[in-house]
Amino acid sequence: AQTVTQSQPEMSVQEAETVTLSCTYDTSESDYYLFWYKQPPSRQMILVIRQEAYKQQNATENRFSVNFQKAAKSFSLKISDSQLGDAAMYFCAYKEETSGSRLTFGEGTQLTVNP
Amino acid sequence: NAGVTQTPKFRILKIGQSMTLQCTQDMNHNYMYWYRQDPGMGLKLIYYSVGAGITDKGEVPNGYNVSRSTTEDFPLRLELAAPSQTSVYFCASSTPGPLDTEAFFGQGTRLTVV
Repeated sequence: AQTVTQSQPEMSVQEAETVTLSCTYDTSESDYYLFWYKQPPSRQMILVIRQEAYKQQNATENRFSVNFQKAAKSFSLKISDSQLGDAAMYFCAYKEETSGSRLTFGEGTQLTVNP
Repeated sequence: NAGVTQTPKFRILKIGQSMTLQCTQDMNHNYMYWYRQDPGMGLKLIYYSVGAGITDKGEVPNGYNVSRSTTEDFPLRLELAAPSQTSVYFCASSTPGPLDTEAFFGQGTRLTVV
């Protein structure tokens, strides 16, 4: 079974600074997708960014970017110019082309943004 | 477009009681999922369905049942509630297609079993 590991249960960052959240995963598949989801206190799951395994170029969405290292099975999220609204739980998730396209989630990283 | 709607948002059950968590989506998605999220943890898959009449177990199915009689609805049934089922439950849906297809989540149901 695929596993996703987030080794940082909690992280903090000063407003306007940059923070990187780590994620590693284990798979024997060659094609798959990786996602970062944000979960604010409202509990809503919000897609932040996605990366397809066969693309070498790292995905970027405004202040959010990823560092995807396929050989190392690493998928970190960088948040630049952190804002108070970025404070949330962040989940790394993996999806492969199996029946039902199920997502496998990491345990999450709680991000605090200090003013 | 409402997306994925879950009811109720909150519920307290006594040990041994039963209940059904409702989930409906209006996006005509074939795939639907139930996840649970324990405090401070990630989401774990309970059951999923790839279409009406087809369901399959996920990672943590014990104590739950599902049915999928229509494309829109995917209820989750707890027959004999136990304290270990205290959790937040999320329903999600997606459509078959490229791997980058996004899953859409409901707002969650916070269930407490006492």
